[in-house]
Amino acid sequence: EDQVTQSPEALRLQEGESSSLNCSYTVSGLRGLFWYRQDPGKGPEFLFTLYSAGEEKEKERLKATLTKKESFLHITAPKPEDSATYLCAVLSGATNKLIFGTGTLLAVQP
Amino acid sequence: GAGVSQTPSNKVTEKGKYVELRCDPISGHTALYWYRQSLGQGPEFLIYFQGTGAADDSGLPNDRFFAVRPEGSVSTLKIQRTERGDSAVYLCASSLGTDRTAFFGQGTRLTVV
Repeated sequence: EDQVTQSPEALRLQEGESSSLNCSYTVSGLRGLFWYRQDPGKGPEFLFTLYSAGEEKEKERLKATLTKKESFLHITAPKPEDSATYLCAVLSGATNKLIFGTGTLLAVQP
Repeated sequence: GAGVSQTPSNKVTEKGKYVELRCDPISGHTALYWYRQSLGQGPEFLIYFQGTGAADDSGLPNDRFFAVRPEGSVSTLKIQRTERGDSAVYLCASSLGTDRTAFFGQGTRLTVV
């Protein structure tokens, strides 16, 4: 069964304190792994798509990496405006469904 | 439009009533998805369309839920005989194809009282 597990569930950082969020997955035929950011009361906002192991993508203070079993979202020197829930999702080649994890709630304190 | 548009943004209805939630996808996007998100959870798949047809409706929880996309653009999610357990945020997303990035709307918060 396709499954996505994110850890930790919640993370509190001081401004400037770098860290990583984890997304572990099992999927029938990975067609893509996606990272989204979600602010309270809003829909998920697209960040990155990764298609194959070894691939990396960067955007400002965020960098996403992918292996055959997991993905990491690295946050370098975070700012309070990076506070949000970060969602990971995998696109299953068997079902064509986008399967989401439960997210990591990130709080960055000034 | 520039992004996925969902209306209404909020809907409060009484138990047992019928509701319709509308999704206007990004122009040119052939794939359209509906998800449901409860507090503290990730989005849960309901149904997706490729063009006008429902390619996979296996996530619809029961036969009170139904969705249409008659002209391959706007979609409507319909819920009959609403129950308190249907209360959630209903998210719509669209993409250029099923193997392409999905972009989400702001969601409709449904509250059944």
